[in-house]
Amino acid sequence: AQSVTQLDSQVPVFEEAPVELRCNYSSSVSVYLFWYVQYPNQGLQLLLKYLSGSTLVKGINGFEAEFNKSQTSFHLRKPSVHISDTAEYFCAVSEGTGFQKLVFGTGTRLLVSP
Amino acid sequence: DAGVIQSPRHEVTEMGQEVTLRCKPISGHNSLFWYRQTMMRGLELLIYFNNNVPIDDSGMPEDRFSAKMPNASFSTLKIQPSEPRDSAVYFCASSQSGQRTDTQYFGPGTRLTVL
Repeated sequence: AQSVTQLDSQVPVFEEAPVELRCNYSSSVSVYLFWYVQYPNQGLQLLLKYLSGSTLVKGINGFEAEFNKSQTSFHLRKPSVHISDTAEYFCAVSEGTGFQKLVFGTGTRLLVSP
Repeated sequence: DAGVIQSPRHEVTEMGQEVTLRCKPISGHNSLFWYRQTMMRGLELLIYFNNNVPIDDSGMPEDRFSAKMPNASFSTLKIQPSEPRDSAVYFCASSQSGQRTDTQYFGPGTRLTVL
């Protein structure tokens, strides 16, 4: 079974600073990777996804992620964060074959302060 | 687009009572997922429907939980009888086809508290 590890439970950062949220997954023949964001008291919203092709994926709100097959990583980055980026971020992998069974990491809470 | 609609947003009930959570997926989507989110276990998939048919219910905790999808625009998750350990946020999500490359669209969730 697939698994996803988000080592950082919380990342504090100042506004306008760069940030990287780490995600590692267990290896598989074919992997589809996702980053979702959850704002307080809301459902999850897709930030970006890697399906194939270019290993650098650009998403909404200025976020991007890089797929690294050799390191089995899919880290999320933003060059300059805003207060409004304060939220919980979830990395997920689409497991197995057949329908899309997403396996989520435990989440990283990004805290942006002025 | 209205997005995925869930009701109620908050539910407080007493142990032993029946609880019914409701979900309306995005129109045109043929796949529907129910998730549970807790601090201890994170986000867990409970059940997956495709074209109104339950495909995978391996995540349903026990017989107290049941889910139905009588038509393409409505699904329910029922807990009977409820227990305090069922307290969690329950999310419904839908996607266009359920394929591994799809984007899942989540509702705002129902926060369930069982006293």
